Amino acid sequence: GQQLNQSPQSMFIQEGEDVSMNCTSSSIFNTWLWYKQDPGEGPVLLIALYKAGELTSNGRLTAQFGITRKDSFLNISASIPSDVGIYFCAGLVSGGSNYKLTFGKGTLLTVNP
Amino acid sequence: GAVVSQHPSRVICKSGTSVKIECRSLDFQATTMFWYRQFPKQSLMLMATSNEGSKATYEQGVEKDKFLINHASLTLSTLTVTSAHPEDSSFYICSAIDTRTSGGRETQYFGPGTRLLVL
Repeated sequence: GQQLNQSPQSMFIQEGEDVSMNCTSSSIFNTWLWYKQDPGEGPVLLIALYKAGELTSNGRLTAQFGITRKDSFLNISASIPSDVGIYFCAGLVSGGSNYKLTFGKGTLLTVNP
Repeated sequence: GAVVSQHPSRVICKSGTSVKIECRSLDFQATTMFWYRQFPKQSLMLMATSNEGSKATYEQGVEKDKFLINHASLTLSTLTVTSAHPEDSSFYICSAIDTRTSGGRETQYFGPGTRLLVL
């Protein structure tokens, strides 16, 4: 099946620093999604990318859909303590009655105030 | 925005009993819902895809007789863990696709999860 390699697994940064994480895949996805999950909660959608090469921002977050459709990155600028959590990339294959979302293993972000 | 709820948020049960978890889309209709399982410090693993009015599609390795899924309406899907055992203890999360989104931009919303502990 499809697999996503997400890196880094964890990051420890100081408040105010920028953060970058990425995902790569062995196969092509129609859509790349980035989610954040807080402890004991479900994932919350941060950014959705629908076209190869697409660069999208949501506040301090910026994400890009790789040209090859096999990778994506997420940048967080000027991190704040509430950015702490687990960030997951997810690749979506959809078409007709087929719809499947595959998650990366997550990046645990710790922000030191 | 679209909201997905789950009930209960956490449940503790004895080994051998069955537990039902409800997933509801509160302000939209969802033809398709999904059930995921997440173990501590791991990613979400898709268990099954639930389509309204039809049988669920289970992922490889997921026992359909153990994890019963019923998607009886466009706003409700239930997951029943039958004869639960300690190894079934996990965080179960559902999600739903808003039928108003389509054309490759289907938006999937996640519930808050249900923590199951089997003693």
